[in-house]
Amino acid sequence: GQQVMQIPQYQHVQEGEDFTTYCNSSTTLSNIQWYKQRPGGHPVFLIQLVKSGEVKKQKRLTFQFGEAKKNSSLHITATQTTDVGTYFCAGQPDSNYQLIWGAGTKLIIKP
Amino acid sequence: DAMVIQNPRYQVTQFGKPVTLSCSQTLNHNVMYWYQQKSSQAPKLLFHYYDKDFNNEADTPDNFQSRRPNTSFCFLDIRSPGLGDAAMYLCATSRVGGHNIQYFGAGTRLSVL
Repeated sequence: GQQVMQIPQYQHVQEGEDFTTYCNSSTTLSNIQWYKQRPGGHPVFLIQLVKSGEVKKQKRLTFQFGEAKKNSSLHITATQTTDVGTYFCAGQPDSNYQLIWGAGTKLIIKP
Repeated sequence: DAMVIQNPRYQVTQFGKPVTLSCSQTLNHNVMYWYQQKSSQAPKLLFHYYDKDFNNEADTPDNFQSRRPNTSFCFLDIRSPGLGDAAMYLCATSRVGGHNIQYFGAGTRLSVL
């Protein structure tokens, strides 16, 4: 079946260090979406990427969609405590409206 | 203002005692989803309604049922909760044909005693 692999499962960083999570789909995607879930919270939509090779920025967050529309990344520059949470990618295949969710990457700030 | 509302936020039930979770939306979205999420895992889709059409995931146990009496409301019924059904249950909505972004409610945390 169609899958979206997301790595790493966890990333521990010192505050101020960068963070990156990667997603790779087994099938070409119509678009990919990124969500953030704070501890004890629910997933909240961050951004949607639609075009091949697209790069979008939100302050310290940079999102990329690969040329083949099968992979994507989220990079956070100079992490802050407010960035703590789990980041999920969710891809929409060309053939279906349903999203396929990655397993998520949990960002942990080291004390 | 909350756009996807789940009630209750916390639900405690006894082993085998039926329970119903509710979700309402003010977005007029055509699709409503129910997810189960256990600790440190991704949300797992149980089923969804596209308008009035019910779509069950192949691995969703028969113990889980859903109803969507109108566009705004959707219910999750667990007929005989087991200890393994203790989890966070998330409702989400989206508009297929638009951006298809999913909007989540705050969730209902179910405990089974």
